[in-house]
Amino acid sequence: AQSVTQLDSHVSVSEGTPVLLRCNYSSSYSPSLFWYVQHPNKGLQLLLKYASAATLVKGINGFEAEFKKSETSFHLTKPSAHMSDAAEYFCVVSEWSGGYQKVTFGTGTKLQVIP
Amino acid sequence: DSGVTQTPKHLITATGQRVTLRCSPRSGDLSVYWYQQSLDQGLQFLIQYYNGEERAKGNILERFSAQQFPDLHSELNLSSLELGDSALYFCASSPRTGGPGELFFGEGSRLTVL
Repeated sequence: AQSVTQLDSHVSVSEGTPVLLRCNYSSSYSPSLFWYVQHPNKGLQLLLKYASAATLVKGINGFEAEFKKSETSFHLTKPSAHMSDAAEYFCVVSEWSGGYQKVTFGTGTKLQVIP
Repeated sequence: DSGVTQTPKHLITATGQRVTLRCSPRSGDLSVYWYQQSLDQGLQFLIQYYNGEERAKGNILERFSAQQFPDLHSELNLSSLELGDSALYFCASSPRTGGPGELFFGEGSRLTVL
């Protein structure tokens, strides 16, 4: 069975400081992992994805994530937060099982950026 | 633009009524997913279709039903609506490839039940 745990429901950072959003996953197989961002009243946009290639994945808007199998983690980072990064972020695990793609979302982390 | 189209964008209706939400996936995508997002429940998976067949069910109420048509568009039917059904309903599609792929989300349909 697969699951995703986002360790923080809210994270607050000052503009210009690093961002760390934590995600741990559980999967029976070799999963694909994603981070999505949702700005207020908008749909979900893919930030980055990991699919058994390089363990350090770079995404849009300066975000990156590192897949650590030994720690079952896929934390999202950004060196310097911008006001426009304020949004909700979802960690997602996906795997094919029984002929279809099973997708599990984390509960989300709301990022607040303080000027 | 994700390529996934949802209509209507906004819908206001009364309790007890029935509504239909429509989703057109990206060209070539065979899988369609429906999600409900509300302030108190967060993002909840409702149901998944693959090439017209139901593949997975989540927290979908019996009052709700969905289907995927031969042209791959999907509809989510919500009946006997209650105030608590007010939410943002998202549709997503994913590529036909056999390996895990990302979901592409529509902008959502915001349902308000008065």
